[in-house]
Amino acid sequence: DAKTTQPPSMDCAEGRAANLPCNHSTISGNEYVYWYRQIHSQGPQYIIHGLKNNETNEMASLIITEDRKSSTLILPHATLRDTAVYYCIVRGTTSGTYKYIFGTGTRLKVLA
Amino acid sequence: DTEVTQTPKHLVMGMTNKKSLKCEQHMGHRAMYWYKQKAKKPPELMFVYSYEKLSINESVPSRFSPECPNSSLLNLHLHALQPEDSALYLCASSLEPSSSYEQYFGPGTRLTVT
Repeated sequence: DAKTTQPPSMDCAEGRAANLPCNHSTISGNEYVYWYRQIHSQGPQYIIHGLKNNETNEMASLIITEDRKSSTLILPHATLRDTAVYYCIVRGTTSGTYKYIFGTGTRLKVLA
Repeated sequence: DTEVTQTPKHLVMGMTNKKSLKCEQHMGHRAMYWYKQKAKKPPELMFVYSYEKLSINESVPSRFSPECPNSSLLNLHLHALQPEDSALYLCASSLEPSSSYEQYFGPGTRLTVT
């Protein structure tokens, strides 16, 4: 199963872009990369996912390198409410059923 | 309605008690999941149900017993738990078990075993 590596913590000034990196060097060709965040022990919240093309939605952008071994989640204008733990996830399979394999997460603190 | 609900929010139980956690979704999702999360750690998968059948058991001790009575409901029955089982228990669902659709998580049940 593919695993992910993330920096344990990052700070970002309010209003600036937050760029959160993730390494997934053992990812397989058909495995998606997902990003979730978790605010203070609430349930994880879906942000975005992608396979090989860059993706953008109302919350964030996902940039995946051409070799798919790493990706970056971009929050374009971070606010205090974006302070959370951000998880980069790849999917693995057991007996043909997909499952999430969570990384250790990056604790993002947005500073006023 | 994109909500997964979990009850109770908090549960305190003794090691000899039997209790159940409940998870519900009305999004027509056919895959449902139980995760366990210890403090300052990522969620760890426990069980996956696909079309109401157990498809993944991540070597979870038998004192945890999952049940999927119908496509909207997922239970986790607890019996003879240990203090180290204290954690946040998260339920999630997704549209199809074998697709790229994202999982929706509930708010969790905070379990304390005394």
